[in-house]
Amino acid sequence: AQTVTQSQPEMSVQEAETVTLSCTYDTSESDYYLFWYKQPPSRQMILVIRQEAYKQQNATENRFSVNFQKAAKSFSLKISDSQLGDAAMYFCAYRSDQETSGSRLTFGEGTQLTVNP
Amino acid sequence: NAGVMQNPRHLVRRRGQEARLRCSPMKGHSHVYWYRQLPEEGLKFMVYLQKENIIDESGMPKERFSAEFPKEGPSILRIQQVVRGDSAAYFCASAIRTGAYEQYFGPGTRLTVT
Repeated sequence: AQTVTQSQPEMSVQEAETVTLSCTYDTSESDYYLFWYKQPPSRQMILVIRQEAYKQQNATENRFSVNFQKAAKSFSLKISDSQLGDAAMYFCAYRSDQETSGSRLTFGEGTQLTVNP
Repeated sequence: NAGVMQNPRHLVRRRGQEARLRCSPMKGHSHVYWYRQLPEEGLKFMVYLQKENIIDESGMPKERFSAEFPKEGPSILRIQQVVRGDSAAYFCASAIRTGAYEQYFGPGTRLTVT
């Protein structure tokens, strides 16, 4: 079974600075997808960024980018120019590409990000 | 184009009562996933359904919990004889097809058992 680990329960960053959230995962599969979701106080789950395992290039979405290290099974999220609205719980998630897994997401325990003005 | 809708947003039940949580997927989506988020934890997969079929219920507790996604109408997650440990946020997500990149999440239903 796949597992996802986020070793930082809490992180803080100054507004306009850069912060990196860590995520590691365990799998024996070669084809899969990795995601970062944001959960603000409203509790709505918002997709931040997606990475396909077969792509070597790291995904980027505006101020959000990932450092995907497939051999190390590491998938960190970098937030540049942090804004107050980035304050939220961030979840790393894994999804198998196998039909038998049914596309369910496996989530880490989350990292609570605080942005200080 | 409305997103995934869940109702009620908040539900309070006494121990032993039944809880029914509803999820209307995005238009055109025929795949629904239910996840549970216990306090201070990440989301845990419960069940995956397509119209009229349960595809994967490996994350669902064996007793008291059931789910359906009828041909017409919303998906329902039903919890019988609720206990305090069922207090959690229950999220529904929908996808347009198996293998789709993205699951779109609803706002969740917060169940409180008193």
